[in-house]
Amino acid sequence: AQTVTQSQPEMSVQEAETVTLSCTYDTSESNYYLFWYKQPPSRQMILVIRQEAYKQQNATENRFSVNFQKAAKSFSLKISDSQLGDTAMYFCASGNFGNEKLTFGTGTRLTIIP
Amino acid sequence: EAGVAQSPRYKIIEKRQSVAFWCNPISGHATLYWYQQILGQGPKLLIQFQNNGVVDDSQLPKDRFSAERLKGVDSTLKIQPAKLEDSAVYLCASSITSGRDEQFFGPGTRLTVL
Repeated sequence: AQTVTQSQPEMSVQEAETVTLSCTYDTSESNYYLFWYKQPPSRQMILVIRQEAYKQQNATENRFSVNFQKAAKSFSLKISDSQLGDTAMYFCASGNFGNEKLTFGTGTRLTIIP
Repeated sequence: EAGVAQSPRYKIIEKRQSVAFWCNPISGHATLYWYQQILGQGPKLLIQFQNNGVVDDSQLPKDRFSAERLKGVDSTLKIQPAKLEDSAVYLCASSITSGRDEQFFGPGTRLTVL
């Protein structure tokens, strides 16, 4: 069974600063993929970024980037130039090719301070 | 493009009563998911449909929960009878083909069991 661990229940940073959210996972599979999802206070969850394990290059999406350390089973999310709209719960999730079920972590509540 | 629709948005029931939730996924999305999100936790997959067939229902409490997706489009999730521990947000999501694709989430139904 897969497990996903997010060790930071809450974080806060000043607007325009950079923040890194941590995630570790455990899987016995060799082919898998990882996601970061964002859940703003309105509760509709949206995808932030996606990484497939076979790709060595870290995924980036504008101000969002990941640090994927496969050997350490670590998948952290970096948010640069943070904005007030980044305030949300952030969930790390993993899934295996073949068994398409996603396993989510417990989330990190991020607050951007004006 | 319309998003994932869910109804009702809120529901309050007494324990041992029955309740049903409805979800209409994004048009053309083959895969539909029901998640249970208890306060302070990440979403937990209850059941996953591919068209009108069940892909995974390993975490669905089948003695009280049931779900169907008869025509491969919209879906209903039922709880009968409800227990106090069923209080949660029930999220519906859909994806184009499989779990490795981006999942699009609905706004959720917040269930309170008294």
